Amino acid sequence: GAVVSQHPSWVICKSGTSVKIECRSLDFQATTMFWYRQFPKQSLMLMATSNEGSKATYEQGVEKDKFLINHASLTLSTLTVTSAHPEDSSFYICSAGDRGNLAGELFFGEGSRLTVL
Amino acid sequence: QKEVEQDPGPLSVPEGAIVSLNCTYSNSAFQYFMWYRQYSRKGPELLMYTYSSGNKEDGRFTAQVDKSSKYISLFIRDSQPSDSATYLCAMSAGAQKLVFGQGTRLTINP
Repeated sequence: GAVVSQHPSWVICKSGTSVKIECRSLDFQATTMFWYRQFPKQSLMLMATSNEGSKATYEQGVEKDKFLINHASLTLSTLTVTSAHPEDSSFYICSAGDRGNLAGELFFGEGSRLTVL
Repeated sequence: QKEVEQDPGPLSVPEGAIVSLNCTYSNSAFQYFMWYRQYSRKGPELLMYTYSSGNKEDGRFTAQVDKSSKYISLFIRDSQPSDSATYLCAMSAGAQKLVFGQGTRLTINP
């Protein structure tokens, strides 16, 4: 299947700092990428839909000023957690679908574990 | 009521057993149905992808979709300890926007 890469896989930061997570589609182009958040033993909760060349669409209850999303190219989307606090500690996962695949299969990155001290 | 219901388990079975995992849903607009496997602290891995009703088989895995009952299943034959993971059902009406079940934690005991 298609490969989606996330970086970093694990990051620890101090409260009040900002952290950027990258999501890349390695062997296909993705006009749309999705960002999820997952708490321990919980399912994936969609945070936002990242659209190449336009503003991201955020799910209800997700602060867009807190979670900045940039999708500058067909292979890269970034999620920046601004002014991070301990409650932002979570597992963040991105997914992307090949725009040439009309069936709509989605492939996921390996996830990025954020720990805010 | 959640759009997608999945028993979180945990489910523990002996090696070699047939495993049955299920999800129910309420949104009749869902047309695409997926099963993902997620190991601890890893991203989900796509196992099976089905469009509309019917069965799909891939090796030891069989996915079934019954849209009339709003019920989907994943069967794992000849289960192996390496199959121990969390299995997530997911579905969408289109545009790749997935709704996930809670995930079922499965353990295959040697």
